[in-house]
Amino acid sequence: AQKITQTQPGMFVQEKEAVTLDCTYDTSDPSYGLFWYKQPSSGEMIFLIYQGSYDQQNATEGRYSLNFQKARKSANLVISASQLGDSAMYFCAMREGLGTSYDKVIFGPGTSLSVIP
Amino acid sequence: NAGVTQTPKFRVLKTGQSMTLLCAQDMNHEYMYWYRQDPGMGLRLIHYSVGEGTTAKGEVPDGYNVSRLKKQNFLLGLESAAPSQTSVYFCASSYEDRSGQPQHFGDGTRLSIL
Repeated sequence: AQKITQTQPGMFVQEKEAVTLDCTYDTSDPSYGLFWYKQPSSGEMIFLIYQGSYDQQNATEGRYSLNFQKARKSANLVISASQLGDSAMYFCAMREGLGTSYDKVIFGPGTSLSVIP
Repeated sequence: NAGVTQTPKFRVLKTGQSMTLLCAQDMNHEYMYWYRQDPGMGLRLIHYSVGEGTTAKGEVPDGYNVSRLKKQNFLLGLESAAPSQTSVYFCASSYEDRSGQPQHFGDGTRLSIL
């Protein structure tokens, strides 16, 4: 069963508009972490933002914010004021088993974002 | 500051051949991971290691073996390559702490099996 679901294979957004990329996850661990990474066409993986399962407030990093709804097991990425350089693949990832022998990070299938001028 | 270095960057193999991909990190990270990336499937975890001398299976371990004899190196082996193993392979490493330290990724190895 897929543990990370990203239901939007492709998204389009107008430059300067905000966009929300969806991510839902499944884990039985009480302590876990959620990450978002960006992968431009050049191929490198760029860390964007992190949310811990016990964090009381939603994470924010510049134009990126994470809409964390723990009860719904969702961790959507919000990009404000989209720029042409935001066009890329975006991956949601989950770290579970923190501090145990099965401490690992798994990824969702990704969402391709295209920013339209 | 090299970070995570993957060797080689490109390789073409024939079906049945064997090879080893090397991942080296210079950040004293405890954790290391091997992923494969295929179109539409994101990054899938092959094997991972939470410390020197330890390895564990990820989501898609079949056909691969790994070793972590030294803390800074994580080797991924294909004993008998198959066309289904054509992919881009990424190595990553991270700290052990629980504060949300992100993974550091290598540049990837593009592997084609003919």
